[in-house]
Amino acid sequence: GEDVEQSLFLSVREGDSSVINCTYTDSSSTYLYWYKQEPGAGLQLLTYIFSNMDMKQDQRLTVLLNKKDKHLSLRIADTQTGDSAIYFCAEKPKAAGNKLTFGGGTRVLVKP
Amino acid sequence: GAVVSQHPSRVICKSGTSVKIECRSLDFQATTMFWYRQFPKQSLMLMATSNEGSKATYEQGVEKDKFLINHASLTLSTLTVTSAHPEDSSFYICSANRDRSLYEQYFGPGTRLTVT
Repeated sequence: GEDVEQSLFLSVREGDSSVINCTYTDSSSTYLYWYKQEPGAGLQLLTYIFSNMDMKQDQRLTVLLNKKDKHLSLRIADTQTGDSAIYFCAEKPKAAGNKLTFGGGTRVLVKP
Repeated sequence: GAVVSQHPSRVICKSGTSVKIECRSLDFQATTMFWYRQFPKQSLMLMATSNEGSKATYEQGVEKDKFLINHASLTLSTLTVTSAHPEDSSFYICSANRDRSLYEQYFGPGTRLTVT
């Protein structure tokens, strides 16, 4: 089945690292994504990882993928107040074509 | 990243009227676009897949006669909410896959629809 789960809320102090976790169920997923949504706005593609990779780093962002446990995480280093937003993970199951299945979103609040 | 625009960003309409929302890929061609609906503090719900030059594919439970989708060109898809009711009030977001890199899906800024 298709079910992507995330924790609802994360509070972090400015300058610390944030880690947002996600679990998915479809092992056929070829790509997994992280999107950021600020209030009243659409989704911004932050990064994605191909299913044959374990890790991907892009500036302050590090994505870790554990295929065995179907666990995806996004680490934001040196978190800033501008990182406060909702973060969605999404999977692209092989059988779904280009359709994405989204998690419920994690609201990240960065405190000064 | 690629740019997807939506118009209008906000619209208020009366019950019974129809509203058209446009989704454009500004700097790339998109054979496939997607329409989502998002309720407050919730995730995105896929409504339909819009295919250039052919009929849209609707997700289960989405009324195709109520939510009309037209994908007339490689850069434009429109969603028309017909005979709108207050329960249709929501945030509608479109997305598009770049034809040359189908694993990258880019989202528009969304349209806030309020039906009074």
